[in-house]
Amino acid sequence: QKEVEQNSGPLSVPEGAIASLNCTYSDRGSQSFFWYRQYSGKSPELIMSIYSNGDKEDGRFTAQLNKASQYVSLLIRDSQPSDSATYLCAVNTAGGTSYGKLTFGQGTILTVHP
Amino acid sequence: DAGVIQSPRHEVTEMGQEVTLRCKPISGHDYLFWYRQTMMRGLELLIYFNNNVPIDDSGMPEDRFSAKMPNASFSTLKIQPSEPRDSAVYFCASSFAEPRPPYYEQYFGPGTRLTVT
Repeated sequence: QKEVEQNSGPLSVPEGAIASLNCTYSDRGSQSFFWYRQYSGKSPELIMSIYSNGDKEDGRFTAQLNKASQYVSLLIRDSQPSDSATYLCAVNTAGGTSYGKLTFGQGTILTVHP
Repeated sequence: DAGVIQSPRHEVTEMGQEVTLRCKPISGHDYLFWYRQTMMRGLELLIYFNNNVPIDDSGMPEDRFSAKMPNASFSTLKIQPSEPRDSAVYFCASSFAEPRPPYYEQYFGPGTRLTVT
């Protein structure tokens, strides 16, 4: 079982719709959860961080965390063609020699079509 | 802030040659990470440093790969000798260890696209 798994995608949504990206993780001790956006040919860009159960909203983006079920999701409201990118879920590894390390999922490709 | 700086941005070299990739982390950050990204394998962590000390190099694929961090503002990743299968995008990232949120937010450099022919 992979440590961080994302829905395989690719995900295609029409402009203006809600895009839902999901991620599950295996380390129950993880404390920090991140979503990165990566445009083709570019580096990953941090767009959301979440540390507590519940929802965190930032503009059109909402991150949701459920530690009991070990999943984190990202909702993109009013999706725009400019949101088309690969979205990477990352989870910090708890404690020991892995302190400070993030484990990344394989990414979900999102396409928003006009 | 200038962000994480990497050089060169593109490198084309022949098999067997030595390749050195360079990284300057964000000032004040005490963690530095080297990643490799390919279509087949995704984003892989190669090695990371905390306060200039290597913490985990289990992702370094072979002895041909080595990394150093001589000071808080500079790190190198060296491949010697290079092989075609080393062709990938290499990213450097840095973060700051906070005792409370936000912690471990990593910021990536623009990457170095390496092509070994």
